[in-house]
Amino acid sequence: AQTVTQSQPEMSVQEAETVTLSCTYDTSESDYYLFWYKQPPSRQMILVIRQEAYKQQNATENRFSVNFQKAAKSFSLKISDSQLGDAAMYFCAYRRGWNAGNMLTFGGGTRLMVKP
Amino acid sequence: GAVVSQHPSWVICKSGTSVKIECRSLDFQATTMFWYRQFPKQSLMLMATSNEGSKATYEQGVEKDKFLINHASLTLSTLTVTSAHPEDSSFYICSARVKNGRGRARISTDTQYFGPGTRLTVL
Repeated sequence: AQTVTQSQPEMSVQEAETVTLSCTYDTSESDYYLFWYKQPPSRQMILVIRQEAYKQQNATENRFSVNFQKAAKSFSLKISDSQLGDAAMYFCAYRRGWNAGNMLTFGGGTRLMVKP
Repeated sequence: GAVVSQHPSWVICKSGTSVKIECRSLDFQATTMFWYRQFPKQSLMLMATSNEGSKATYEQGVEKDKFLINHASLTLSTLTVTSAHPEDSSFYICSARVKNGRGRARISTDTQYFGPGTRLTVL
């Protein structure tokens, strides 16, 4: 079974600074997708960024980028120029294969606090 | 983008009653819908996966007779918590996979889109 681990229950960052959230996963599959979701106080899950395992290039989305280390099974999220609105729970998620009908396995989450 | 709604957003009920939660894809058809449960300060746990017109697939440990899922159309799935008890109090979230995103800006068949969740409190 696949597992996703987020070792940092809480992180804090100063506004405008950079923060990196860690995520490791365990799988025997070769085809999979990795995601970072944001859950603000409203509880609405928002997709931040995703990475296809077959792609060597790290995904980026504006201020958000990932460091995908396939051999190490590591998938960290870097948030640059942190903003107050970035404060939220962040969940790393794994999905086996290309089929979006496959289930998502979530990590335990990291609560990010942004200090003004 | 792809919008998923849930109704109600918050429900309080007495122990022993049944509660129905609706999950709708508003501007797209969904091939698959997922139901998650989230306890306070915890992660999302998948309860079941449902495809339109077929029976839901439940995760291990989830009672299918307790949590009835009906996926009657490509835009609607319902979760009914039968004979609810206080331990069923939780946050329930649905997500949907897009059937056909062709021609739709910023919408992907490769992504699950989440509803805003339903908070269930059983007294």
